[in-house]
Amino acid sequence: SAVISQKPSRDICQRGTSLTIQCQVDSQVTMMFWYRQQPGQSLTLIATANQGSEATYESGFVIDKFPISRPNLTFSTLTVSNMSPEDSSIYLCSVYRTGKNEKLFFGSGTQLSVL
Amino acid sequence: KQEVTQIPAALSVPEGENLVLNCSFTDSAIYNLQWFRQDPGKGLTSLLLIQSSQREQTSGRLNASLDKSSGRSTLYIAASQPGDSATYLCALLTGANNLFFGTGTRLTVIP
Repeated sequence: SAVISQKPSRDICQRGTSLTIQCQVDSQVTMMFWYRQQPGQSLTLIATANQGSEATYESGFVIDKFPISRPNLTFSTLTVSNMSPEDSSIYLCSVYRTGKNEKLFFGSGTQLSVL
Repeated sequence: KQEVTQIPAALSVPEGENLVLNCSFTDSAIYNLQWFRQDPGKGLTSLLLIQSSQREQTSGRLNASLDKSSGRSTLYIAASQPGDSATYLCALLTGANNLFFGTGTRLTVIP
C-alpha cells in the first residue's frame, strides 16, 4: 500500500494570503491528484499532476488560483492563492497505484479555514 | 456522464446492529469500485476495492458487493461499533483519470 504524507494537516489563514500544501509519497507514482472537499460535499477533482509536464486542471479550476508543482515522482505541492473564505475546504492529494492491486490512496487531508 | 448516488445520506443505528450502505451508478462500464471511510476533517481510508470482474470482497466485519447490471454496490457492516461512525464514500473508476465519487453516507453508531 502507498503511504502519503500530507502537510499541513490544518491551517487558519487570512484573506488574500496563499498556502502551499505538500504531499510526499513513499514510492514513485506517475499520476497524483488533488481534490477539494467543501463542507458537507463530496470530493471534487482540482487537477491531475504528472511529473515533467503541466498539470491538467478540471473545469472551474485555473492554474493562477491553484498552481501545482510536480518536481519528481514522489512529491507534489498545491498552492491555494489569494485565498477567500470560499476556499475553506479540505484539500486532499491522492495517488493511483496501478498493477495487481490497482487502488486509490489518499493523504490525510489539509483542513483549511480562511477568515 | 456517470452519476453516483448514495442513499441514505445519513444513518443512525444502535451498537451491534448489522447495516447496509448503498451506492448506485448510472453507467455500468466501470473499471473498479472502491469504498472509503472518512472521519471528520480527515482524509479518506480505503476499505475495500472490487474489480469489475468480481462480485464481492470481504475484510473483517465488512463485505462489499458489486452488481454492474443493476448499477449497484452495497457495503455491509456486521455487528456495528461506535468506532464505525464516519462518512462512507464509494468511488467508481472508469479509467486512470476518470473517477466518480458518491455523495456519501454519514453513519452514526450509538453506544
